[in-house]
Amino acid sequence: GQQLNQSPQSMFIQEGEDVSMNCTSSSIFNTWLWYKQDPGEGPVLLIALYKAGELTSNGRLTAQFGITRKDSFLNISASIPSDVGIYFCAGRVIQGAQKLVFGQGTRLTINP
Amino acid sequence: NAGVTQTPKFRILKIGQSMTLQCTQDMNHNYMYWYRQDPGMGLKLIYYSVGAGITDKGEVPNGYNVSRSTTEDFPLRLELAAPSQTSVYFCASSYSPGSYSGNTIYFGEGSWLTVV
Repeated sequence: GQQLNQSPQSMFIQEGEDVSMNCTSSSIFNTWLWYKQDPGEGPVLLIALYKAGELTSNGRLTAQFGITRKDSFLNISASIPSDVGIYFCAGRVIQGAQKLVFGQGTRLTINP
Repeated sequence: NAGVTQTPKFRILKIGQSMTLQCTQDMNHNYMYWYRQDPGMGLKLIYYSVGAGITDKGEVPNGYNVSRSTTEDFPLRLELAAPSQTSVYFCASSYSPGSYSGNTIYFGEGSWLTVV
């Protein structure tokens, strides 16, 4: 089945630093989604990408849908304490029942 | 607006016991999903439903059953609990994928299940 490789698995940064994480796959996706999960909560959608090459921002977050349709990245600028959590990428396959495949997650820790 | 509500939040089961995780959504979404999340891992799809009366297997369906008698409800049944089913379970819902709004999947808060 389809697999997503998300990296890094964890990040420890200082408040104010920029963050970058990415996902790659051997499969082509028609949609890339980025979610954030806070402790004890379900994932919440941050950004949705629908077209190859698309670059979309949501406040301090920016994500891009790779040209090859096999990768995506998420950047967070000027990190703040509330950015702490686990970030997941998810891709929707082109064919079939349009199921989402999730990456393993990137755990972000911020030192004040 | 409650969104996706799942119960219970926490449960400890003995090996071989059965239980049902309840999930309901009030957004009139036709698609509903059950995912499990193991420690340090992403979410894996157990079962999904494209509408009332229709269910289908996801990546990891073994040991589980679902039903979708109404648009709102999508319970997940564990018949003979095993330690390998210790996980966090998330119910989710969306409009039809392929539509712009259908790519937004709403998740419940999760159910922590431990099988001992």
